[in-house]
Amino acid sequence: QKEVEQNSGPLSVPEGAIASLNCTYSDRGSQSFFWYRQYSGKSPELIMFIYSNGDKEDGRFTAQLNKASQYVSLLIRDSQPSDSATYLCAVYDPRSNTGKLIFGQGTTLQVKP
Amino acid sequence: GAVVSQHPSWVICKSGTSVKIECRSLDFQATTMFWYRQFPKQSLMLMATSNEGSKATYEQGVEKDKFLINHASLTLSTLTVTSAHPEDSSFYICSALGTQGHQPQHFGDGTRLSIL
Repeated sequence: QKEVEQNSGPLSVPEGAIASLNCTYSDRGSQSFFWYRQYSGKSPELIMFIYSNGDKEDGRFTAQLNKASQYVSLLIRDSQPSDSATYLCAVYDPRSNTGKLIFGQGTTLQVKP
Repeated sequence: GAVVSQHPSWVICKSGTSVKIECRSLDFQATTMFWYRQFPKQSLMLMATSNEGSKATYEQGVEKDKFLINHASLTLSTLTVTSAHPEDSSFYICSALGTQGHQPQHFGDGTRLSIL
């Protein structure tokens, strides 16, 4: 079992729809969770981070964390073609004291006009 | 805030050349910096963790003599690819972590290295 799992996709949604990206993690000791967006040929860009159970909203983005079920999700409302990218879920490695991240393989999102 | 600058953006050089890549945290102090490599259509691969004033910690399978890392200050880490060969061609990305706990890593723009 991979430590952080994402469906590689592609996830295709029409413009204006809600895109739902999911991520599961295996280590119950994980405390900090991050979503990064990576456009093709570019480096990752931080979208959101979440530490507590529940929802965290920032503009069109909502991160949801459920530690009991060990999943974290990212919702993108009113999806735009410019949201088309690979979304990386990352978790702090609880066995590391250096802030090392464990990444999922990423989900490719395609928003169609 | 939390800007990480990486330089150069592109490098094209001949086989056998050594290439140095710089990673700077511009508006915060980074006790820890990370170096990643990414091949086309693949995930980020962590190469090493760099702490200011101490030796870098390399991931399994990464040659420390090939990829020299120096983290001389709280705002600068460098990666030197020594005697680069075509198989070292890749996208190299650094990230930096601030001094406060539970903060996210912020990534530089990456360096695309092509060895001819």
